[in-house]
Amino acid sequence: SQKIEQNSEALNIQEGKTATLTCNYTNYSPAYLQWYRQDPGRGPVFLLLIRENEKEKRKERLKVTFDTTLKQSLFHITASQPADSATYLCALLAGNNRKLIWGLGTSLAVNP
Amino acid sequence: DTAVSQTPKYLVTQMGNDKSIKCEQNLGHDTMYWYKQDSKKFLKIMFSYNNKELIINETVPNRFSPKSPDKAHLNLHINSLELGDSAVYFCASRQVGAGGNEQFFGPGTRLTVL
Repeated sequence: SQKIEQNSEALNIQEGKTATLTCNYTNYSPAYLQWYRQDPGRGPVFLLLIRENEKEKRKERLKVTFDTTLKQSLFHITASQPADSATYLCALLAGNNRKLIWGLGTSLAVNP
Repeated sequence: DTAVSQTPKYLVTQMGNDKSIKCEQNLGHDTMYWYKQDSKKFLKIMFSYNNKELIINETVPNRFSPKSPDKAHLNLHINSLELGDSAVYFCASRQVGAGGNEQFFGPGTRLTVL
């Protein structure tokens, strides 16, 4: 069956460290993968998109990698801040390129 | 200035009632979505419309009926509400073919069925 898995346990890190979140998938060949941030009581907010032919994408303190052989994307936040605390969701495009399939998300807490 | 708005934000109702949630986007996007996010935080697509045409209709009970009067609006009507319908419902939009392909989400409607 087709699955997307993200670290189910919450990630707690110290301010200033790099947070690394994992998204693994099986039985998909996605054209691209997206990362979103969701704060409590709010809708997801888009952060980054990485295409199947891209290895890495950066935006300010954020970096995403995409390994289609391992079927894995890693999401890094460098120099993390307490304001980065949120749930991070990965989503990939599947099913004739018409819908996103979502992971359950990983909760990140950055401690001051 | 809100890009994707939903009303109401909270909806508490009894089992068996019929209710509607409204969504509007002012981004000029041609595609809109309804998602359900359950208590485990799993975000599942329900419906999608492109230029008022239904293009995605997941396995959703037919008590749920989306309606798109124009491409800026996508409403969700739910008949005979059940306890299991309790969840947060998100509306989202995107512009097909745009380079980013990102979806823009509304603030959500928390539905509680008693």
